[in-house]
Order: sequence, then structure tokens, then C-alpha cells
Amino acid sequence: EAQVTQNPRYLITVTGKKLTVTCSQNMNHEYMSWYRQDPGLGLRQIYYSMNVEVTDKGDVPEGYKVSRKEKRNFPLILESPSPNQTSLYFCASSQGLDYGYTFGSGTRLTVV
Amino acid sequence: AQSVAQPEDQVNVAEGNPLTVKCTYSVSGNPYLFWYVQYPNRGLQFLLKYITGDNLVKGSYGFEAEFNKSQTSFHLKKPSALVSDSALYFCAVRRYYGQNFVFGPGTRLSVLP
Repeated sequence: EAQVTQNPRYLITVTGKKLTVTCSQNMNHEYMSWYRQDPGLGLRQIYYSMNVEVTDKGDVPEGYKVSRKEKRNFPLILESPSPNQTSLYFCASSQGLDYGYTFGSGTRLTVV
Repeated sequence: AQSVAQPEDQVNVAEGNPLTVKCTYSVSGNPYLFWYVQYPNRGLQFLLKYITGDNLVKGSYGFEAEFNKSQTSFHLKKPSALVSDSALYFCAVRRYYGQNFVFGPGTRLSVLP
């Protein structure tokens, strides 16, 4: 089944403790992206990647890092999480910019 | 910079009636426009897109959207709503030659039996 897999689905952590949210797609998509979803704000893009080793900032990149060492994987790294990063995070991939995204099921992160 | 507005937080419609979820956009150049749906506790699902060509675009689950360049709008429509259409709907835009997408704040659709 074609899908984007995110892990974990739920995560509660403490301020300052580094964490990684993994994202993997099995569709050989070149374009991948991370979004956060907050009530009333819709989805805001954190980072995106056009291909392996090519990443760029979205609208809200502060406090996040990404890497794209392999085509299928696009992990999101929070080096020092803070409570304002409590949110619902989605990874997404697509064949290219003219195509719709396939989204993962989301990761609900709480930073206390 | 590109932006997307969805002027209604909530739309209520009776089952069997036509539905419209509104979207307006602001972008320089020709826009690439998308609609997505999010069911509870799920990721977003792609419904349809406008890249070029006919202004009326047909998509999944009987939805369609009409691109209106003069009004900078891309409203989502369905001739006959189902209770199962109740969900959160997002409009998104990409600027031609742009590499990132901007999503609207979402509109919650409730279809009442």
C-alpha cells in the first residue's frame, strides 16, 4: 500500500530534550515536506525537500532541523523542544509540485 | 507572498442539499490550487487540483471546484451533500515556479441528516 509513515503517533516530552520524528514514504516521491497544524492557523510549512540532500525552509522553520540522506526518509529533529512547539505534525510527500500530497497520519507532540 | 483565505470557519448544510466551501487566494503569477479533506484523527487527503485548463475541476468523492481568476477564488462544491462529507476542508495554493505551498485555516463542514 502506498503510504507515508510517521512515528511516533503520540509523544509527550520535556523542554530541552532532543527528539526526532521519523517519516518514510514508499512511493519513490522526490518532494517531501513537514507541516504543523494548530487550531485557527491551518497547516504551516516547516521544511521541505525537493530531492536527496536538497532541503529548504518553509514558513516556520525556527527550532527545527531536517535531513534528507535517502529518498524515502525525511526526519524532523527538534534539538531543544519548547512548549510553543506543542502541535500536531504532518509529513507529506508528492511526485512533484504539480501533484497533490500524500499525508502521514500525524504526530501529536506535547512539550511540557 | 502567497496567501489563502477561507472566510467561513463553519459551514452547515442539510443532507441532499448542494454545498459550497469558499476559498480565495492571493499570489503573484498563475496559481496552482488544491483542496484537501481531513477526517477526525486522520491525515489530510487530496481531493482535487487546478493547474491549468478548464475552470471547473472534478475530483474525488463527487467534489468539484471552480477556478475564477477575476475573483481570485477556488470554491469547492458538491451537488448533493452526504453526512459522511462532514470533515475539515483545506484550500492550498502554490505560486507558479514556487516551491512551497500555503494552506488556508480550514473550514469545518457539517452535513446534517
